[in-house]
Amino acid sequence: DTGVSQDPRHKITKRGQNVTFRCDPISEHNRLYWYRQTLGQGPEFLTYFQNEAQLEKSRLLSDRFSAERPKGSFSTLEIQRTEQGDSAMYLCAKTGDLYTDTQYFGPGTRLTVL
Amino acid sequence: GIQVEQSPPDLILQEGANSTLRCNFSDSVNNLQWFHQNPWGQLINLFYIPSGTKQNGRLSATTVATERYSLLYISSSQTTDSGVYFCAVDRSYNTDKLIFGTGTRLQVFP
Repeated sequence: DTGVSQDPRHKITKRGQNVTFRCDPISEHNRLYWYRQTLGQGPEFLTYFQNEAQLEKSRLLSDRFSAERPKGSFSTLEIQRTEQGDSAMYLCAKTGDLYTDTQYFGPGTRLTVL
Repeated sequence: GIQVEQSPPDLILQEGANSTLRCNFSDSVNNLQWFHQNPWGQLINLFYIPSGTKQNGRLSATTVATERYSLLYISSSQTTDSGVYFCAVDRSYNTDKLIFGTGTRLQVFP
């Protein structure tokens, strides 16, 4: 158990629909990360939060993507007007504690856009 | 940006064999982690090892930061070791925005 849960685990949607994913670290941690992984590739960084502040966003994160961490605990990632190219595994990670940089990943949300 | 290359891309072993996976990176790093991604997609943290050597059971890892590479050793492999092994690095002190390599796909047969 990595201490990170994600919901839903799978999502199938039609092109043009909006989807929202949730990430819950079991205990509150300073830093929370979102990554995206397409088939056959390693995960790619999307964005990260320190407490509730979103401090960095990748160029992969187009204006159709938005992420929030309203109370510095759970986080949501929303994709508006989904496209087939958005099909991927969306992974959330947390750091172990305030003093180490080790990242622990949730099980991911697999998105399929038809 | 920093480049991370892993070799070999694919590895097929019989149960009980030993193996060495390599990760080369193009610049100095402050964070290096090895992960195992199981067939269900879960990334499992194996080692946090920006430098030095660590061991955990049948697995061990060594990072030579000055020469910009890291090695993951798997001894007496088991079928449950199958999956994809990723090396991931970060240069910064503050963000730990991990850059992942392309992975090594390991298949262990009984």
